[in-house]
Amino acid sequence: AVQLVESGGGLVQPKESLKISCAASGFTFSNAAMYWVRQAPGKGLEWVARIRTKPNNYATYYADSVKGRFTISRDDSKSMVYLQMDNLKTEDTAMYYCTASVFAYWGQGTLVTVSS
Amino acid sequence: DIVMTQTPLSLSVAIGQSASISCKSSQSLKYSDGKTYLNWVFQSPGQSPKRLIYQVSKLDSGVPDRFSGTGSETDFTLKISRVEAEDLGVYYCCQGSYSPYTFGAGTKLELK
Repeated sequence: AVQLVESGGGLVQPKESLKISCAASGFTFSNAAMYWVRQAPGKGLEWVARIRTKPNNYATYYADSVKGRFTISRDDSKSMVYLQMDNLKTEDTAMYYCTASVFAYWGQGTLVTVSS
Repeated sequence: DIVMTQTPLSLSVAIGQSASISCKSSQSLKYSDGKTYLNWVFQSPGQSPKRLIYQVSKLDSGVPDRFSGTGSETDFTLKISRVEAEDLGVYYCCQGSYSPYTFGAGTKLELK
């Protein structure tokens, strides 16, 4: 069965950095585009970032709200995808979901709280 | 960026009734490969989201055929016939045709 397991969330102060991870299993990870989607408390879903596969040069794309501050990456040898979040703002507080294959599969999420 | 507009934002239905949700995109979602990457995603309270429908009308594995998706270009509809209690939650349309991918605001399906 497909599994996506996020980890690394927590409480950080504004302007700090945090790196969250997602471990994938149950499908051919190297063939799948991977995404991060977030949900602020009580709000809707917001697409954050996307990384394509090796044949597509691992191209990356970002929402305007995080461009220049967040970096998505992947390690196909470990079936892992990461989100490096720098210069965090209070408005980045959200549950962060890892998702694959144009939202076909979702993890349980990891909570990131940015507060002083 | 493509804006996804869902209506209504809230919908009250009785068990066994049907429900319909509209989603309009600010530009055509038909990609250069001829496919239209419009998805419907469902989130029940306290749970992770789950995709129900992809490419406008294709049901994901395990999704009951009470769910159906129709539409093209910029206008799309999700229909649920014979609503059951497990269908209550928030439905989002989202486009995966052009980056940045975008979600609608969500439609909350509640019990009447």
